[in-house]
Amino acid sequence: QKEVEQDPGPLSVPEGAIVSLNCTYSNSAFQYFMWYRQYSRKGPELLMYTYSSGNKEDGRFTAQVDKSSKYISLFIRDSQPSDSATYLCAMSTGTASKLTFGTGTRLQVTL
Amino acid sequence: GAVVSQHPSWVICKSGTSVKIECRSLDFQATTMFWYRQFPKQSLMLMATSNEGSKATYEQGVEKDKFLINHASLTLSTLTVTSAHPEDSSFYICSARDSGAHNSPLHFGNGTRLTVT
Repeated sequence: QKEVEQDPGPLSVPEGAIVSLNCTYSNSAFQYFMWYRQYSRKGPELLMYTYSSGNKEDGRFTAQVDKSSKYISLFIRDSQPSDSATYLCAMSTGTASKLTFGTGTRLQVTL
Repeated sequence: GAVVSQHPSWVICKSGTSVKIECRSLDFQATTMFWYRQFPKQSLMLMATSNEGSKATYEQGVEKDKFLINHASLTLSTLTVTSAHPEDSSFYICSARDSGAHNSPLHFGNGTRLTVT
């Protein structure tokens, strides 16, 4: 079993839809959680960074962490075609620790 | 925000030659930088952790003599792929976090696409 599980998709939604992306993990030592967006042939771009259970909102993006269930989510409201990319969840046990990535979910927002 | 610059963005080289990739933190200092490799439609695979002023730490299965890492300053790490072969063709991405900031997340460069012919 992988430490971090993420559905690779692809996930196709119409423009304006609410998108829900999820990851589960098995290592209870993970304390820091991140979501990255990666466009084709580019490096990952940090979207959200949290280190506590609960919700964190930034514009159209909301990150949710449930440490008791070992489950994290990223919600995208009013999705746009420009949101089409691969979304990677990542987590670490400490601030200086290496990241463990999910496989990434490919999202396609259609007109 | 924190910016990580990676150069070159793409390179084509002949089999047997060496290629150097640079990773710079532009507006922060990074005592530690990370080098990843990514195959098409796959996630990032950590290759090594680059430590300023000391030897890099390589992940299991990564040949340290083939992938030479140098972290000579707090803003620059280099990865040299020595005696490159076609199987080394991949997307290489570096990352760094601000050593001076508490709980700073990891920021990534835009990657280098290496093609070995």
